[in-house]
Amino acid sequence: AQKITQTQPGMFVQEKEAVTLDCTYDTSDPSYGLFWYKQPSSGEMIFLIYQGSYDQQNATEGRYSLNFQKARKSANLVISASQLGDSAMYFCAMREGDESNDYKLSFGAGTTVTVRA
Amino acid sequence: DSGVTQTPKHLITATGQRVTLRCSPRSGDLSVYWYQQSLDQGLQFLIQYYNGEERAKGNILERFSAQQFPDLHSELNLSSLELGDSALYFCASSVEGTGALVTDTQYFGPGTRLTVL
Repeated sequence: AQKITQTQPGMFVQEKEAVTLDCTYDTSDPSYGLFWYKQPSSGEMIFLIYQGSYDQQNATEGRYSLNFQKARKSANLVISASQLGDSAMYFCAMREGDESNDYKLSFGAGTTVTVRA
Repeated sequence: DSGVTQTPKHLITATGQRVTLRCSPRSGDLSVYWYQQSLDQGLQFLIQYYNGEERAKGNILERFSAQQFPDLHSELNLSSLELGDSALYFCASSVEGTGALVTDTQYFGPGTRLTVL
């Protein structure tokens, strides 16, 4: 079964507006971490933000914030005040904790964001 | 710049050949992870090493092998290459890589783009 689901293959957003990227996850492990990465056209994977399953507050990092709804198993990324440089593929990933014997990140299929001037 | 280095950046080779991809983790990181990104399979975890020892294995083919050396750099060896092995291969590193530490963020290198002709 898919552990991470990103249902939006592509999105367009106007410069200076906010955009929300959806991510739902599936795990029975009570301890897990959720990560978002950005992959520009140049190919590198850039870490953006992290949310732990026990964190009480939503994570924020500059213009990035994570809307974490544990009961719904969703961890949506919000990019505020979009910039042209935000155009990229965005991946949601999960690492499971105590009950997992491996340490891998499981990735979603990604969402392509295109920022329009 | 994540601090993770990978060489070479690009590699073009023929079917049946063998190649070695090299990765140097961030200073202080003990874990190295290898991932394969292809159009049809997305981002897939291959293998993890922690302080020189294999820690976890993912969907790694028998034709592929890896190792981590005493200076913590890692090599991924791909042999009997097939057209389907063409992909972007990422190395990532993290401080710990133990199951209980779900906050352990993986930082990715720039990747090696392998083309098998």
